[in-house]
Amino acid sequence: DADVTQTPRNRITKTGKRIMLECSQTKGHDRMYWYRQDPGLGLQLIYYSFDVKDINKGEISDGYSVSRQAQAKFSLSLESAIPNQTALYFCATSDSDRGETQYFGPGTRLLVL
Amino acid sequence: GQQLNQSPQSMFIQEGEDVSMNCTSSSIFNTWLWYKQDPGEGPVLLIALYKAGELTSNGRLTAQFGITRKDSFLNISASIPSDVGIYFCAGQLRGSGTYKYIFGTGTRLKVLA
Repeated sequence: DADVTQTPRNRITKTGKRIMLECSQTKGHDRMYWYRQDPGLGLQLIYYSFDVKDINKGEISDGYSVSRQAQAKFSLSLESAIPNQTALYFCATSDSDRGETQYFGPGTRLLVL
Repeated sequence: GQQLNQSPQSMFIQEGEDVSMNCTSSSIFNTWLWYKQDPGEGPVLLIALYKAGELTSNGRLTAQFGITRKDSFLNISASIPSDVGIYFCAGQLRGSGTYKYIFGTGTRLKVLA
């Protein structure tokens, strides 16, 4: 079984809809991250969480919110989706002792019409 | 958001050739990392570099942390078809009240058998 799972893997939604992307991990890591990837670009950090009570904005947090429900779960919400949020979204985890290495989930492909 | 500059953006090479790619930044980082992303998957760590000037190998891969802490390069020797994918550099900066984890724009590698 995969260590970092994301649901759904693909999602099509309409402008203005609220959607949630979920991430779960079995690696026992305390740190979790959400990134988006656009064609031809690298990954941009949306939010990160160093433990259950810690939430921090990344480079491009506008239009997004997150919830760290448990050490193993970190969800990303788009309160009112817009077309330029169409992208590939990745969740990642890392261990605080070796925080440099991040382990990525398989990604969620989101299309906002 | 801030991104690191990677070059080249893409390259086609013959199997058996050596490959070089680099990553530059306008700001310094404590750690440089190189990831590879296969189609339909999340990035996977290849090499992590922790000290300026450090040269580290992982099989056919060799990476260096630039002396100025603002750049890094990755070499792949004797390329094989499974080296195809997108290679991303990433820089991490951690300090008092500071956390950055920035990805490069990626180098897309295609290997011709």
